[in-house]
This record gives sequence, C-alpha cells and structure tokens, in this order.
Amino acid sequence: GQNIDQPTEMTATEGAIVQINCTYQTSGFNGLFWYQQHAGEAPTFLSYNVLDGLEEKGRFSSFLSRSKGYSYLLLKELQMKDSASYLCAVIDSNYQLIWGAGTKLIIKP
Amino acid sequence: DAEITQSPRHKITETGRQVTLACHQTWNHNNMFWYRQDLGHGLRLIHYSYGVHDTNKGEVSDGYSVSRSNTEDLPLTLESAASSQTSVYFCASTGTSDYNEQFFGPGTRLTVL
Repeated sequence: GQNIDQPTEMTATEGAIVQINCTYQTSGFNGLFWYQQHAGEAPTFLSYNVLDGLEEKGRFSSFLSRSKGYSYLLLKELQMKDSASYLCAVIDSNYQLIWGAGTKLIIKP
Repeated sequence: DAEITQSPRHKITETGRQVTLACHQTWNHNNMFWYRQDLGHGLRLIHYSYGVHDTNKGEVSDGYSVSRSNTEDLPLTLESAASSQTSVYFCASTGTSDYNEQFFGPGTRLTVL
C-alpha cells in the first residue's frame, strides 16, 4: 500500500528553527508538496519538490531525497502565526496526490 | 479575484437524507477534486474530475456521487447520509502552473445525526 508518515505533533519556541520530517512509500513518485493548514481553515500551498535537494523560500525551506523516500520542511525564525498543521503530499505514478495525516506544530513564546 | 467557494459552510442533517454540497471555482480550472478530512487521517480523495462530463472515483467514493455539467461547478451528493460521513469536506482545483498545486475551498463541516 501507499503510506506517508509524519510526526503527529511538534512543539517549538518562537524565534527558533524546527524541522518537520516526512517519509513516504508510494507507487512511483512525481513530486512532493508541503501545505500549511491553520485550524478551521483550508490547506494552502507552501512548496513543491521534484528533484533532490533544497528549495528555499524565505523563512521556509523544503528538502527532498528521492532515494531515501524522505523530505523535510524547515521553518526558521518561528513566529506565533506559524502555529498550524503541516501536510506532506506525494504525487504517485498515477498522478494522484497521496496525503500524510499532517504534523501539528505548536509554537510557544 | 478568482476564487473557489463552497456552500454551505456548515450543515447538520439526519441519517438517510440526501445532501448536496456545492463547489464553485472562477479560475476556469479543468481539474477539480473533493476530499474529506477527519482527525488522524490525511485528506482522503472522494471523487475528482478532469473536465466537463468527466468524473472519477477516489479512495473513499462509496456513498458519494458527483456530476460535472460545466467547468465552474462540481457538486458532491451524499445519496443517503450516514453518521460515518460526518466530516469536513474540501473542494479543490488544480491550475496550470509549473507546480500544478491544488487550491482549496474554505471547507464544509457536515454533521450527520
């Protein structure tokens, strides 16, 4: 079967750095997304990786290793507004999106 | 501005009733999707459409149906609502950017009593 694993919950301190990991086992791979979802709201697009390496976008970076079936989202200079769930999703060989259950990130002052 | 809307935002219904959730997008996207989101699960695909008159079953399609008569709308119908269908439902559409990322509607919280 297809599976995406993320930690259920993480806690970090305002101003710090946090890394959210995602491992996947899917039938094929055509790209990986990270989305942010605030409580009670819709997911919003953060990043996309299809080649190995690091993609940087301001305070957020996303890394991919296709050989290891692994990605991480790195959030720097954490702000209280970064408290949200972070969803990892993989495009499989049928171009279907397979979603992880999400990681709830709690930011403490 | 182009957008994707869902209605109603909240709905309470009774077991056995037929319910239709609306989804409307003004981006002129061909691809549209319906998901449900439950605690402890990722977004699970119910149905999707790649264009007018095209519909496909997703991972959890039992008890749901969709129809696509125009580009803008993809209504989701629960034929006979069950308590197991209590969930938050998201509609999404895919653009034609380099990423083909999905844009989500605000969601509909459905409670089946």
